Amino acid sequence: DARVTQTPRHKVTEMGQEVTMRCQPILGHNTVFWYRQTMMQGLELLAYFRNRAPLDDSGMPKDRFSAEMPDATLATLKIQPSEPRDSAVYFCASGPDRPGANVLTFGAGSRLTVL
Amino acid sequence: AQKVTQAQTEISVVEKEDVTLDCVYETRDTTYYLFWYKQPPSGELVFLIRRNSFDEQNEISGRYSWNFQKSTSSFNFTITASQVVDSAVYFCALSDNYGQNFVFGPGTRLSVLP
Repeated sequence: DARVTQTPRHKVTEMGQEVTMRCQPILGHNTVFWYRQTMMQGLELLAYFRNRAPLDDSGMPKDRFSAEMPDATLATLKIQPSEPRDSAVYFCASGPDRPGANVLTFGAGSRLTVL
Repeated sequence: AQKVTQAQTEISVVEKEDVTLDCVYETRDTTYYLFWYKQPPSGELVFLIRRNSFDEQNEISGRYSWNFQKSTSSFNFTITASQVVDSAVYFCALSDNYGQNFVFGPGTRLSVLP
């Protein structure tokens, strides 16, 4: 089965440190989404890309978060500097953008704890 | 703007009971897609079903069934004869025609007690 791969699965860091989360989308999928899940906010859409171009990152705190797709096989989400309120599970998902085929497949998530 | 509401935060049922999870959506698009995803305690998000806005036929898959009513902007999910393994958080989601602007509801936590 094709999978979305996320690394790291778990990350514990101290406030102020830089954190980079990586995602390998399914080969052939040209849309990539980043979500953040917390108990209080549920699944928040942070950013999404189509053909590696950012289409919407309005859900992302711009001062500390950045999302990129250096190539079609890698998406990154960076937090610098990290804060305790960034503690959450970060999910990456990918999908085709063809009408009628737009099911998102999710990675297993990266659980971030900022102390 | 697109929005998905799941008014039920948590539901508890006893095994073998039927349970319905509600989902109400808002969109200005004429073509859109609705989804249900399951998140079991292990944490991964598992796709269950997708419907497009032109297909209002109800769907049944084993113990699962979905009722799509455009007139009330609802896409409800029923589990018949619930089992303990159905315990999970269930998310309803909405996307545009091209799978962009994929928005999730807040989720409903279902607990099925033995």
